[in-house]
Parts: sequence; structure tokens; C-alpha cells
Amino acid sequence: DTGVSQDPRHKITKRGQNVTFRCDPISEHNRLYWYRQTLGQGPEFLTYFQNEAQLEKSRLLSDRFSAERPKGSFSTLEIQRTEQGDSAMYLCASSLRAEPNYGYTFGSGTRLTVV
Amino acid sequence: LAKTTQPISMDSYEGQEVNITCSHNNIATNDYITWYQQFPSQGPRFIIQGYKTKVTNEVASLFIPADRKSSTLSLPRVSLSDTAVYYCLVGLAPRMNRDDKIIFGKGTRLHILP
Repeated sequence: DTGVSQDPRHKITKRGQNVTFRCDPISEHNRLYWYRQTLGQGPEFLTYFQNEAQLEKSRLLSDRFSAERPKGSFSTLEIQRTEQGDSAMYLCASSLRAEPNYGYTFGSGTRLTVV
Repeated sequence: LAKTTQPISMDSYEGQEVNITCSHNNIATNDYITWYQQFPSQGPRFIIQGYKTKVTNEVASLFIPADRKSSTLSLPRVSLSDTAVYYCLVGLAPRMNRDDKIIFGKGTRLHILP
């Protein structure tokens, strides 16, 4: 296990289309986080899971966004009816609860471009 | 969560020591100070963490004064590959049963010149 994997690395979609991203965390990590990052800004928290339970969602996560983590393993983030404002880097991170916070390991992200 | 303030950008030259200072006046007793590094098109990566005085690892040193209201990340003898954004984070306490998540600011864009 070499770290957090995200797929795809890049996605170009037309406005109005649905997109889905996948994150595979480090296998023993029970926490999984999604962040969004736009150019020149720090990553913004979207949501996180403890095993399969989604424990918190940011107000940034509109009704068009949905995240799942079936069986507490990989996670998917779906954006429905994409808008140009959704263009961003979507980052996934995982950690082991109760470990020092340097247990947060980030993936390389999925860059979404909505045209 | 304690708010942090750090310079928006810094320039330095190869071989120099770079110090990035972060202010966190409202740091709580149980809060730790953590720095992350982010290269373009990659996710952030943990660099160093500390609670007080000085911490050193193979990448950097972290200096924290007694009042803990600020901290300084020190990168010795930087190279071009140290060009990145550096984030100072406060408010996460390791080994505590908390549900905190990392909240990032805008960070400091460090540009190393040849």
C-alpha cells in the first residue's frame, strides 16, 4: 500500500454533466476526508467519514454533491449537474483516528474542469 | 480553532536558510502547531509538528517561543525543489479522542530563486 490513490487525475466535463471521483485510502486508515482546492487558495474541507459513517458535511457541500464510503473502504464523490464554479482540485485524505495528526495522508487529487 | 496569520509569499535564494513565521495569538492549551507543504498538483504533505520550544527533523526545524503565540518554520539551505506553499495549522491535538478536521488557511507561497 503506497498511499492514498485518487482516480481520475484529471477530468474535463461539460456543464450539466455528472461526474464521480474515487478515493482509495491507506488500508488501515478508518477516517477519510474530502477537500476542494481552487487556484491560490488552501484546501477547503467538504466532508469526512469514520469507517462507513459520514460524520460531518461542510456547508460548501451543496445538494448536488454526494459522498459515500461503502463498507468503510474506498470512497466516491459525485457531483451532479456540474457548474463552472465546480472547477477545482478535489483532494482526498485518510488518517487513523486517535493517531497524531501527522497521520493525515493526502492523495494527489483529481483536477476537475467544467467547460 | 485558533486562527493563524502567515505571510502570503516569500522569495529566497538557493542555499539560504528560510524562516516562515506564523502568528496564532488564540492558541489553546492543548493545541499543537503543525506545518504542511504542498507542491503544485499534489496534495499537502506533513512536514513537522510541535508543542513548545524546538523540534527538528530531517526536513525542517520548528521554533516555538514560551508564550506559543507564534511559531517559526526554518528550512535550512533551501533548493529549487523547496518551492511550494507552506501551511501553518493550529488546533489539532494528537492522541486525543477528537473529531477535528484540518482547516487550511491560504498558506505562504515560497519561491526559491537560483
